[in-house]
Amino acid sequence: DAGVIQSPRHEVTEMGQEVTLRCKPISGHDYLFWYRQTMMRGLELLIYFNNNVPIDDSGMPEDRFSAKMPNASFSTLKIQPSEPRDSAVYFCASSYGIHEQFFGPGTRLTVL
Amino acid sequence: AQSVTQPDIHITVSEGASLELRCNYSYGATPYLFWYVQSPGQGLQLLLKYFSGDTLVQGIKGFEAEFKRSQSSFNLRKPSVHWSDAAEYFCAVGAMEYGNKLVFGAGTILRVKS
Repeated sequence: DAGVIQSPRHEVTEMGQEVTLRCKPISGHDYLFWYRQTMMRGLELLIYFNNNVPIDDSGMPEDRFSAKMPNASFSTLKIQPSEPRDSAVYFCASSYGIHEQFFGPGTRLTVL
Repeated sequence: AQSVTQPDIHITVSEGASLELRCNYSYGATPYLFWYVQSPGQGLQLLLKYFSGDTLVQGIKGFEAEFKRSQSSFNLRKPSVHWSDAAEYFCAVGAMEYGNKLVFGAGTILRVKS
């Protein structure tokens, strides 16, 4: 299995631009998670899905952030408009039931 | 509220020395616990997990951890550290009552000196 796949690995954009991060979970996993990692705040859960349905989005910082999971093999995290304080590493993780989460390699986002 | 504390931000050990990384949690339910490792520029990799049963669990790369309910701790140990163990280590806690959410500690950066 290829593991959790994220794209792009690096993204540099200018303030005000739309950013879309993509994730392909491990086949057969029914949970998908989006995390953000920064030096100041550590690893934060933004949102998670179960069977493609958002279960908890209480970690989404504000309305500029949105996430979708149109099918079991794809999810997106969108930031519109982006701001410099959104610069971070964004991780996608997936799991099968209440078991360990498998993390992708992350997307390093820099907003200038 | 659920919380996870890793009291040591940085730890430096000599290669070949033993290692213990501390993790304490505060949870209003029966927890399940994990240790993950993150190398620079990489995602998090699972080292070991505890759900139930034997409170001493073995993981990959020679790591082990012991769940002590009375102390609300889940410390990670390794008898002999290798230079390749230098990384950041995260403790994470979840509970069935809270769905599939995990709360992560702030991490401990391990430096190994030769």
